[in-house]
Amino acid sequence: TQLLKQSPQFLSIQEGENLTVYCNSSSVFSSLQWYRQEPGEGPVLLVTVVTGGEVKKLKRLTFQFGDARKDSSLHITAAQPGDTGLYLCAGGGGATNKLIFGTGTLLAVQP
Amino acid sequence: NAGVMQNPRHLVRRRGQEARLRCSPVKGHSHVYWYRQLPEEGLKFMVYLQKENIIDESGMPKERFSAEFPKEGPSILRIQQVVRGDSAAYFCASSPVAGSLNEKLFFGSGTQLSVL
Repeated sequence: TQLLKQSPQFLSIQEGENLTVYCNSSSVFSSLQWYRQEPGEGPVLLVTVVTGGEVKKLKRLTFQFGDARKDSSLHITAAQPGDTGLYLCAGGGGATNKLIFGTGTLLAVQP
Repeated sequence: NAGVMQNPRHLVRRRGQEARLRCSPVKGHSHVYWYRQLPEEGLKFMVYLQKENIIDESGMPKERFSAEFPKEGPSILRIQQVVRGDSAAYFCASSPVAGSLNEKLFFGSGTQLSVL
């Protein structure tokens, strides 16, 4: 069974601080996606990484896929209250688009 | 904005009743996925359907749960004889193709099922 464990589970920080969220698995994934979900809404895709060692940047967010394609990290610089939400990693890339979601990291950025 | 539409947004049922959750995918998308989410948890895959066919139902409970995606009309997730443990948010996602590493899943806003 493929499992994706995220850490930390909860994170409460002040506006302007930096943070890193980790997504780890014992399985290899062909691709890994990061989503953000706000209360009462569905997840929204932030980024997809497919190559081991790949780094992608989206404004203040930096995503990295591990060399062995078993883990990933999300780094947020100078967090804003608008970054508050549930961050989910998801592994996939098989014959279908069936995604295995991580356990989630709930981020709260205090103004 | 013709995104994934799910209805109802909120559904309250008493134990033993049936729940029917509907999902209209993005226009032109023929692949539909259903996920279930418990409070403060990630999403758990339930079933993957392609027009009129169930492709992967490995995440579906063996009893009381069924899903369909007819040629015409929305995809339906049906839960018979609901129990309190079925209370969760149910999300539908769609995509135009399957198996592409960069393909994006579009999620609906979910149906929150509460079983009294």
